[in-house]
Amino acid sequence: GNSVTQMEGPVTLSEEAFLTINCTYTATGYPSLFWYVQYPGEGLQLLLKATKADDKGSNKGFEATYRKETTSFHLEKGSVQVSDSAVYFCALSDVTAGGTSYGKLTFGQGTILTVHP
Amino acid sequence: DGGITQSPKYLFRKEGQNVTLSCEQNLNHDAMYWYRQDPGQGLRLIYYSQIVNDFQKGDIAEGYSVSREKKESFPLTVTSAQKNPTAFYLCASTRERSYGYTFGSGTRLTVV
Repeated sequence: GNSVTQMEGPVTLSEEAFLTINCTYTATGYPSLFWYVQYPGEGLQLLLKATKADDKGSNKGFEATYRKETTSFHLEKGSVQVSDSAVYFCALSDVTAGGTSYGKLTFGQGTILTVHP
Repeated sequence: DGGITQSPKYLFRKEGQNVTLSCEQNLNHDAMYWYRQDPGQGLRLIYYSQIVNDFQKGDIAEGYSVSREKKESFPLTVTSAQKNPTAFYLCASTRERSYGYTFGSGTRLTVV
């Protein structure tokens, strides 16, 4: 079955530091890949996505590249801010057995990021 | 603005009670999903529906039930058969898998 493995947290950084959160996946076919962010007590927000190999998703200074050869989708940001403190989830979406276009999201366990001033 | 509304935000259940969590979307999305979130375990799929009057079990469906009588609504019932229902429940929807999923703000269920 499909699976997503994220680097274990928590990750603690100082403001303006470089961020990398590793994500690798196992899936059949060609999944779409996502990063979601969750702030305390809230639902998940889509941060960025990539739908095919070598695509780069980007948003709010965050980037991730779909690497099919290494089955990875690592999240990076060059300079983090205190406001980036949250839980980050890597996820993949694959087609269902019925072949519909909707799929099911499979999540990693989440990585807690804390940024200090 | 379009989005997903989950209610209530907090819900308390007594032992042996069934409770229903509401999820409504005005995004005109066909597919809707229920996930359960426990600390340190990520999100696990309970049920999903890709069309009205049809739904499928996810990875942890035991002790839960759903209905999809309208495109906009996908309520989740947590039955007394669910032995450990205390968790954060998230509803999501999508129009197509590469588009991404829109999530509601969640319902926190606590057994008292």
